Amino acid sequence: GESVGLHLPTLSVQEGDNSIINCAYSNSASDYFIWYKQESGKGPQFIIDIRSNMDKRQGQRVTVLLNKTVKHLSLQIAATQPGDSAVYFCAETFTGGGNKLTFGTGTQLKVEL
Amino acid sequence: DTAVSQTPKYLVTQMGNDKSIKCEQNLGHDTMYWYKQDSKKFLKIMFSYNNKELIINETVPNRFSPKSPDKAHLNLHINSLELGDSAVYFCASSQTDRGRFTGELFFGEGSRLTVL
Repeated sequence: GESVGLHLPTLSVQEGDNSIINCAYSNSASDYFIWYKQESGKGPQFIIDIRSNMDKRQGQRVTVLLNKTVKHLSLQIAATQPGDSAVYFCAETFTGGGNKLTFGTGTQLKVEL
Repeated sequence: DTAVSQTPKYLVTQMGNDKSIKCEQNLGHDTMYWYKQDSKKFLKIMFSYNNKELIINETVPNRFSPKSPDKAHLNLHINSLELGDSAVYFCASSQTDRGRFTGELFFGEGSRLTVL
């Protein structure tokens, strides 16, 4: 399934399916992007990052795609598991922006058994 | 062995009171942050300290005052609490790599503040 995150939407997927969580960013100067996962009652947890000199980066079961032309970022989760249920945030920053991360509004991922 | 710990986890107080939230990290990181998360889950940075020096100070009412006694601690004091201050406050830390921001923040579990 896919989602576009602007108002904390919910993405529901079946266990074992692939999930795609989308994020649009507005600052064309942003050159570093990070995905975070936040489980209920916990703080956000780093998943994966990508710099603007790359279009794709893979981790364990996760892939981040960056399209700088349309300022779009996506997180793909392969073989989604119940433990993947959480709110997912994209975050952006830019060189010279110090340590300031700007977070997107988040997408709630629900995994159905 | 909690990496970033903040206390208290829950705080319920009356309008007009003053309260503090404490944060400690045992990761040896050189940078610490305070973020505010509202009821819609929106996360916004408030402050950042690097080696005890304030480097980010967002548009936050001056009722909020951070204090970093050393690079492992960053406390947040709030004066004259208002209803709109109700939120979850997250402390985080990170390590710069030769001055370069890595983006991998380690967050605490949050302190839920409710102002009545």
